[in-house]
Amino acid sequence: GDSVTQKQGQVTLSEDDFLFINCTYSTTTYPTLLWYVQYPGQGPQLLLKVTTANNKGISRGFEATYDKGTTSFHLQKASVQESDSAVYFCALESSGSWQLIFGSGTQLTVMP
Amino acid sequence: EAAVTQSPRSKVAVTGGKVTLSCHQTNNHDYMYWYRQDTGHGLRLIHYSYVADSTEKGDIPDGYKASRPSQENFSLILELASLSQTAVYFCASSEWGGEETLYFGSGTRLTVL
Repeated sequence: GDSVTQKQGQVTLSEDDFLFINCTYSTTTYPTLLWYVQYPGQGPQLLLKVTTANNKGISRGFEATYDKGTTSFHLQKASVQESDSAVYFCALESSGSWQLIFGSGTQLTVMP
Repeated sequence: EAAVTQSPRSKVAVTGGKVTLSCHQTNNHDYMYWYRQDTGHGLRLIHYSYVADSTEKGDIPDGYKASRPSQENFSLILELASLSQTAVYFCASSEWGGEETLYFGSGTRLTVL
């Protein structure tokens, strides 16, 4: 079945550092790859998505790309701020299933 | 603005007791979901519903029941709460199944003692 793996459990950065979070996926169909963000005390919310058609998604200074060859997708930001501290989930939606499959999440802490 | 509200925000329950978590949405969405969040496991789907008076099992339904009495309301029921059900529970809604955008509530932190 479809799966997604997010190995980076915690990432600690300083303000203005570069952020890079990686997920790998497995599916036999054409996927839509998503990033959700969960701020403290809130539920997750969609940050951005990338499909096999557009290869890249951009929102709020974050950029998501995917690599079909390595079946991986990435979230990056050039310069993080303390307000970016949150949990970031990657998720997979395959064309063969309606259900979203979430990764285990990456806790990002940005130090002032 | 889409709105999903959960109650209570937190709850402490005793082992073997009955727990009901409630969710209300004002999005006019057909689909509603209950997820469980545990550290290291991300979000896992417990039950979902696409129409009132009908619920479906998700990936981890054992020990949970769900009820959808109306389009707006969706409850998660733990008939006999167990220690292993200590977690944060999220309700979500979407306009249709396969919709990439889920609208989540703020969660209910359940502690079973």
